Amino acid sequence: GENVEQHPSTLSVQEGDSAVIKCTYSDSASNYFPWYKQELGKRPQLIIDIRSNVGEKKDQRIAVTLNKTAKHFSLHITETQPEDSAVYFCAARSQTGRRALTFGSGTRLQVQP
Amino acid sequence: DAGVTQSPTHLIKTRGQQVTLRCSPKSGHDTVSWYQQALGQGPQFIFQYYEEEERQRGNFPDRFSGHQFPNYSSELNVNALLLGDSALYLCASSPPGQGITGELFFGEGSRLTVL
Repeated sequence: GENVEQHPSTLSVQEGDSAVIKCTYSDSASNYFPWYKQELGKRPQLIIDIRSNVGEKKDQRIAVTLNKTAKHFSLHITETQPEDSAVYFCAARSQTGRRALTFGSGTRLQVQP
Repeated sequence: DAGVTQSPTHLIKTRGQQVTLRCSPKSGHDTVSWYQQALGQGPQFIFQYYEEEERQRGNFPDRFSGHQFPNYSSELNVNALLLGDSALYLCASSPPGQGITGELFFGEGSRLTVL
């Protein structure tokens, strides 16, 4: 089945800096890659997603890139703000087999004011 | 428009007991998935229900079972609880026709502690 690895597990940046979180996946049949933000004690919320027919997607300060050949995708947050502090999860969904989302282990992002 | 609602929010059980968790999907959604999130980990897929049937299942033992009702709400049952079952149980729903391909909308979860 699908396996998703996520790095780093923790990331601390200064307010205004950029943050990058990277994920790799194992199933070449995966075609949907969402990113979720989970604040302490809250539900995971989708912040951006990308499908395998595009290489990059942006939404204001957030962007995701996908390299299908290398089977990795990344989340980029620019001009970070203290409210960006949370745990971020990447996920992948395969077109075959068990077509459920497989999540990475999460990255705790701390934005220092 | 109510989102995904789950109950109870917190509960404590002892080893060997049984537990039932409940989920009401977001209005207009017909597919419900359940995930287990251990502390400090990403959510792990348990199973997905659509048209009152289990459609997909993750690597969880038969102690984990579920049900979906005609109004699309769902239950997760766990029998013979183990200490390792302590986790946040998340329910997620998705709109018609997007059970496999679409965005998941998560509830706030039910936090289960097994003593």
